Amino acid sequence: ETGVTQTPRHLVMGMTNKKSLKCEQHLGHNAMYWYKQSAKKPLELMFVYSLEERVENNSVPSRFSPECPNSSHLFLHLHTLQPEDSALYLCASSQDHTGGTYNEQFFGPGTRLTVL
Amino acid sequence: AQKITQTQPGMFVQEKEAVTLDCTYDTSDPSYGLFWYKQPSSGEMIFLIYQGSYDQQNATEGRYSLNFQKARKSANLVISASQLGDSAMYFCAMRRVDGQNFVFGPGTRLSVLP
Repeated sequence: ETGVTQTPRHLVMGMTNKKSLKCEQHLGHNAMYWYKQSAKKPLELMFVYSLEERVENNSVPSRFSPECPNSSHLFLHLHTLQPEDSALYLCASSQDHTGGTYNEQFFGPGTRLTVL
Repeated sequence: AQKITQTQPGMFVQEKEAVTLDCTYDTSDPSYGLFWYKQPSSGEMIFLIYQGSYDQQNATEGRYSLNFQKARKSANLVISASQLGDSAMYFCAMRRVDGQNFVFGPGTRLSVLP
């Protein structure tokens, strides 16, 4: 596997379910990100991890719980979601999260989440 | 606060023609980076091109070039010789030098017509 991978690619869940999204990067990067992309809205940054520590949390509801066990893996644990949480969830990684303007983010293919 | 504006929700271009996708930004920072990403229907965001605010020349990458006008705070993407595979959403994004993470614009959907 190369680049950034995400599983599952599609997920349908009820509001009472608990599920997890997984992201893995094979690029040797130190920073990983979760984004939410809803229809007709700009991409929203949710969480940033640098060297397995959370460095940014953009007022995300507690029903979304991130976990970064190591610099290559990032999870997003979901519980008691709402229908408005249905969106494409994108994971990205970069060499680090600071240090200059050129720090390209590499994105995974996303998980299309539908909450019923 | 930083903000990215993309005023064209949708654009059409004939195959083999050139197209310009608009991007304007608002920032008070003296140093920043500007990015363009392509998102095909598969969902993955694909990096296309980067322009640093202090770069003297406009960035170019193959068929992509960035028309950077710093005084006007615009960073338009020019795609030359459009191909059918260029049909996708295109996002302009900005990053501050202190590591502030990306701010994305709302995107422009480009459709290339045969």
